[in-house]
Amino acid sequence: QQPVQSPQAVILREGEDAVINCSSSKALYSVHWYRQKHGEAPVFLMILLKGGEQKGHEKISASFNEKKQQSSLYLTASQLSYSGTYFCGTEFGDNYGQNFVFGPGTRLSVLP
Amino acid sequence: DAMVIQNPRYQVTQFGKPVTLSCSQTLNHNVMYWYQQKSSQAPKLLFHYYDKDFNNEADTPDNFQSRRPNTSFCFLDIRSPGLGDAAMYLCATSIGTGRDTQYFGPGTRLTVL
Repeated sequence: QQPVQSPQAVILREGEDAVINCSSSKALYSVHWYRQKHGEAPVFLMILLKGGEQKGHEKISASFNEKKQQSSLYLTASQLSYSGTYFCGTEFGDNYGQNFVFGPGTRLSVLP
Repeated sequence: DAMVIQNPRYQVTQFGKPVTLSCSQTLNHNVMYWYQQKSSQAPKLLFHYYDKDFNNEADTPDNFQSRRPNTSFCFLDIRSPGLGDAAMYLCATSIGTGRDTQYFGPGTRLTVL
C-alpha cells in the first residue's frame, strides 16, 4: 500500500523549480508532506484533505487531485535550505495509524 | 518551549539484550507514535497510542512493545534486539488522529552489536 513517489531524486540549482509527485492506486483520505534533513527528524509541511485542494506557504505549495489518488508538491525558486528528503504520508482509511504509510521519499539537492 | 524529547539520542545494545527507548512531550497531545526508520528508507509506523488506547500496526513484530504510563511519556521496549533492528526510532505526537500535524522528536539511533 506504500504510495509511489517520483522522482526518486532531483538536483537543482538555486532559484530553479521542482515538482514532487505522490500517487496511490487507491483513493486517499489525506496526504501529509514532510521534509527531513540528514540526521534530523521529519518536519511537517502541510496536509491536504479534500479532492481538488491546493495549499501553499511562501514558495512551497501542494495540490490534491479530484480523485484523491495523487498529490504534487511544488517548490518554487528553490533555496539551499530546501535540500533534504521529501516524504508524502498517506492515509488510506478512517482508522488513522492502521492505514498511514509514508512514501519512499524524494531526495532533493539544491546547489549554489 | 513545548517539544518532543527522546532519550537517549544514541543507544548501543547487544544482540538479544532488552532495551527501552523513551519519549516525552510537553505539548499535551493525545496521540503518541513510534516509527522505525532504517537508512535511506521512509519512517515506518510501528504503533500509536490515542490516550491509553493502544493501536498496533499489523506487521509490527512481537519483539516490539510499548507503554504509555501517562499523557507525557511513552516507551518503546525491544525485548530481544536483532541486528535487523538497528535503526533510527522516531517518536511523534499529534493532537488527534487522522488529519493533525505530527510533531517529531529528534530520534534515538539504535546500534545492535
